[in-house]
Amino acid sequence: DQQVKQNSPSLSVQEGRISILNCDYTNSMFDYFLWYKKYPAEGPTFLISISSIKDKNEDGRFTVFLNKSAKHLSLHIVPSQPGDSAVYFCAASRSSGTYKYIFGTGTRLKVLA
Amino acid sequence: DGGITQSPKYLFRKEGQNVTLSCEQNLNHDAMYWYRQDPGQGLRLIYYSQIVNDFQKGDIAEGYSVSREKKESFPLTVTSAQKNPTAFYLCASSATATGNTIYFGEGSWLTVV
Repeated sequence: DQQVKQNSPSLSVQEGRISILNCDYTNSMFDYFLWYKKYPAEGPTFLISISSIKDKNEDGRFTVFLNKSAKHLSLHIVPSQPGDSAVYFCAASRSSGTYKYIFGTGTRLKVLA
Repeated sequence: DGGITQSPKYLFRKEGQNVTLSCEQNLNHDAMYWYRQDPGQGLRLIYYSQIVNDFQKGDIAEGYSVSREKKESFPLTVTSAQKNPTAFYLCASSATATGNTIYFGEGSWLTVV
């Protein structure tokens, strides 16, 4: 039972355009969401997070949108750069109680120069 | 320089042998985690610890063991009972077990020969 899903295993985008990575979750108790970027043979690097009290959070070229009713979040990268080429993971957690972080299976982004 | 240090980076193990992966953090985080990533797969939780002297099984704990005798250390032992141990292992930590950013080490590659 996959509680966090990234249904697109890969995405190719032209340099300078917008990259949109999607993530769906099934557990309505999740209220804290994170995005990570990962290069091969390295640990994931934290990019941006969002709490369920918000529907948008922005940090530079990265914006995360949360649609609680649809249990869906997305990461927008604008403008996309070749250095953004990596695997992106979304993760979900709860801010109360005891719970673990659940990760999606990742989306491989390729930004074409 | 705060962070999470995993060692060794690369490890080869003969079938039937136990091996221990080290994870040390100097972030003063309460919670620590071990994840496993297989090629083309997402991150799967092996074990997590919310506080010293306490740990819980994750989704794929069979064939693994951990200890949390010190706040900064969370070693993972891959036992001979683990049927498919060849993978990339990631250690992570967060300030608390919920609602915080989780930070990762650089990972350890384990290959069974």
